[in-house]
Amino acid sequence: ETGVTQSPTHLIKTRGQQVTLRCSSQSGHNTVSWYQQALGQGPQFIFQYYREEENGRGNFPPRFSGLQFPNYSSELNVNALELDDSALYLCASSLVGAGEKLFFGSGTQLSVL
Amino acid sequence: GESVGLHLPTLSVQEGDNSIINCAYSNSASDYFIWYKQESGKGPQFIIDIRSNMDKRQGQRVTVLLNKTVKHLSLQIAATQPGDSAVYFCAVSGGSNYKLTFGKGTLLTVNP
Repeated sequence: ETGVTQSPTHLIKTRGQQVTLRCSSQSGHNTVSWYQQALGQGPQFIFQYYREEENGRGNFPPRFSGLQFPNYSSELNVNALELDDSALYLCASSLVGAGEKLFFGSGTQLSVL
Repeated sequence: GESVGLHLPTLSVQEGDNSIINCAYSNSASDYFIWYKQESGKGPQFIIDIRSNMDKRQGQRVTVLLNKTVKHLSLQIAATQPGDSAVYFCAVSGGSNYKLTFGKGTLLTVNP
């Protein structure tokens, strides 16, 4: 186990709704990244947070947003959900200066109907 | 941008055999490479990593080989066991923001 916990594990929403996913980083890790993994694909980078600020973003629209809190926990918010947002959302934590080695949680499976 | 591809989407081996999973990347500036194992219902689990200043690194039953000339990466698993059955992803990074670009994964099936 990595020590990265995500909630909820599963979620069903309808198109147009908003969703908030939560992540608790591994102890001592100060950087959190979010990835989207569609069925049968590799994870795709959404964004990364360091010191409560966005520190890099992948090719995702602004309706994907995030927060990092002083205790290094994090949220991923998605507005105006679309059917294609159905995926496994993975949170990963890492320690700045320890390389790009990411430790992943088990993910939140989001289904948009 | 970076793209990462795999030679085979699936690999089936007999228990006890050695497994080799391959990966190709496009960006010659990539300097960090990592392999993950993902079991059903779980997040990716770190296996082994290597930096571009090395061409081989060994762990417990696993070896990663890096050929920067042809931009190729491989994961070797010795004496493959049923518990090794999973999807294996290679991922690469070349920037400063720790973004990893993943391949599509290889499904390894170990037959008893």
